[in-house]
Amino acid sequence: RKEVEQDPGPFNVPEGATVAFNCTYSNSASQSFFWYRQDCRKEPKLLMSVYSSGNEDGRFTAQLNRASQYISLLIRDSKLSDSATYLCVGLRNSGNTPLVFGKGTRLSVIA
Amino acid sequence: DVKVTQSSRYLVKRTGEKVFLECVQDMDHENMFWYRQDPGLGLRLIYFSYDVKMKEKGDIPEGYSVSREKKERFSLILESASTNQTSMYLCASSPPRRSPYEQYFGPGTRLTVT
Repeated sequence: RKEVEQDPGPFNVPEGATVAFNCTYSNSASQSFFWYRQDCRKEPKLLMSVYSSGNEDGRFTAQLNRASQYISLLIRDSKLSDSATYLCVGLRNSGNTPLVFGKGTRLSVIA
Repeated sequence: DVKVTQSSRYLVKRTGEKVFLECVQDMDHENMFWYRQDPGLGLRLIYFSYDVKMKEKGDIPEGYSVSREKKERFSLILESASTNQTSMYLCASSPPRRSPYEQYFGPGTRLTVT
């Protein structure tokens, strides 16, 4: 199993819709995860952290499901400006590099 | 605001050339990273550094080297560029070692090797 796996999408949703995507991870000892957002032809930027208690920031909610080893990102009331690639980031199983990035899930919000 | 700058947005080099990619951050971050990003492969870590003069290999260090002579600057070197090193190169920095997760990325350098 890869360390962090995401459905590449694309997820095409209408404005105003609620959309959720998941990211599965293999390191059962991981405590912390992160969602990064990457706009087309831009650099990734930290969107939010995901701790054991989850995290909510406005229309965005991130949750951690330890039993099934996945994290989720829920976006409510989607805006056109939410169109981007969302990268799931977790800790590595081994080695001395701290982070592993998922390949990203592409979201397109359509008018 | 954290600012990470990279020396070039676009670069075209010939096979066999020595290539220097420069990255500078202005937030006094200890940690700096070099990634490459390719379609279908995502972000892959090349090298990183937790302090001046320190460097550690990431997942794909072959064909690359790095230099960190000053805290704010982290250079990626392609000793002899090859066409399979055509890619988007992203530099990032983050606060001290205890929290390397909040990585701030530069705008990237799109390198084409012909």
